[in-house]
Amino acid sequence: DAGVIQSPRHEVTEMGQEVTLRCKPISGHDYLFWYRQTMMRGLELLIYFNNNVPIDDSGMPEDRFSAKMPNASFSTLKIQPSEPRDSAVYFCASSLRPAEAFFGQGTRLTVV
Amino acid sequence: DAKTTQPPSMDCAEGRAANLPCNHSTISGNEYVYWYRQIHSQGPQYIIHGLKNNETNEMASLIITEDRKSSTLILPHATLRDTAVYYCIVRVRSLNNNDMRFGAGTRLTVKP
Repeated sequence: DAGVIQSPRHEVTEMGQEVTLRCKPISGHDYLFWYRQTMMRGLELLIYFNNNVPIDDSGMPEDRFSAKMPNASFSTLKIQPSEPRDSAVYFCASSLRPAEAFFGQGTRLTVV
Repeated sequence: DAKTTQPPSMDCAEGRAANLPCNHSTISGNEYVYWYRQIHSQGPQYIIHGLKNNETNEMASLIITEDRKSSTLILPHATLRDTAVYYCIVRVRSLNNNDMRFGAGTRLTVKP
């Protein structure tokens, strides 16, 4: 298995633009997590899904952020409109049942 | 709101054992102790987990005290490639409560 695949690896966008981050979990995994990592705040859990259903989105910072999982093999994290303070590395992870999670390589987002 | 306390940094000599402590004094009976590490610019990597008993795998050993209020991750023969941030996490493993929240971790530097 190729592991958790995230795209793009790097994204630079202008303030106010819409940004969409993508994640393909490991096949067969039924949990999917989105995290954000910054120097100031560390690794923060934004939202997680079970069987494509959002279970806990309490970590989503504000309404500009939204996440979807239309099927078991794809999820998106969208920021609209983006702001410079959204600059961070965004990680996606997946797990089979409540067990150890496997992380992707992350998307480094820079909003200028 | 991480439930663990770890020293911010540690050094270890190459070839020696690295012992990373973690305090989790408020751990509940159904919470597991998980360890992950994050090598620079990569996604976190699962290392090991345990509930009550000590555990060992090809990467490390996990020692959990009898009262479960603290644990130690042991890398038996640290190499330069073990330089990373190590995260200790306590979490419930249930179908509807599977969030995994990271604290600040311990930055381990393995020196030649």
